[in-house]
Amino acid sequence: KNEVEQSPQNLTAQEGEFITINCSYSVGISALHWLQQHPGGGIVSLFMLSSGKKKHGRLIATINIQEKHSSLHITASHPRDSAVYICAVVDDQFYFGTGTSLTVIP
Amino acid sequence: DGGITQSPKYLFRKEGQNVTLSCEQNLNHDAMYWYRQDPGQGLRLIYYSQIVNDFQKGDIAEGYSVSREKKESFPLTVTSAQKNPTAFYLCASRRTGTNEKLFFGSGTQLSVL
Repeated sequence: KNEVEQSPQNLTAQEGEFITINCSYSVGISALHWLQQHPGGGIVSLFMLSSGKKKHGRLIATINIQEKHSSLHITASHPRDSAVYICAVVDDQFYFGTGTSLTVIP
Repeated sequence: DGGITQSPKYLFRKEGQNVTLSCEQNLNHDAMYWYRQDPGQGLRLIYYSQIVNDFQKGDIAEGYSVSREKKESFPLTVTSAQKNPTAFYLCASRRTGTNEKLFFGSGTQLSVL
């Protein structure tokens, strides 16, 4: 049983394209996190959401609590956005999705 | 700068050997976590600690042990009982409250010789 499902698993885009990564979850949560993992393995936190929408530069994250769904959008994608994007939800512990591997081609 | 430091970056284990992965943080966080990452799978929780001198088993604790003698340090020992230890190991700490955030170390790749 997977508490967190992400789609797509892999995504290839041309530079400049608008990108959407989806996350659905099945548990009750207090918060949802979007994380970015670059080649080499280090993970950085992009957003923490408990409701609504957040924006940071070209990244936008939204969450719909009733539908148990979140999306991460990247506007004007760039090759440096190439990474694995991981959705994680929190109730009494963290549950992680398997990640979406994004490749942006120049 | 505050952060989490994991070492070593690469580690090789021989049969029957215990190895210890280091995790140090200077963020003053109470909560620390160890995760295992295998290809195509999400992060899986090995152990976590909410406070000094206390820790709890995660979903895949068998074959691993931890200690939390200091707030800054949360080392993970992979024992000889862990029969499939090859994986990428990540340590994390958590800032709680309204500005909740996870901070990760750069990871340790453990391989079996």
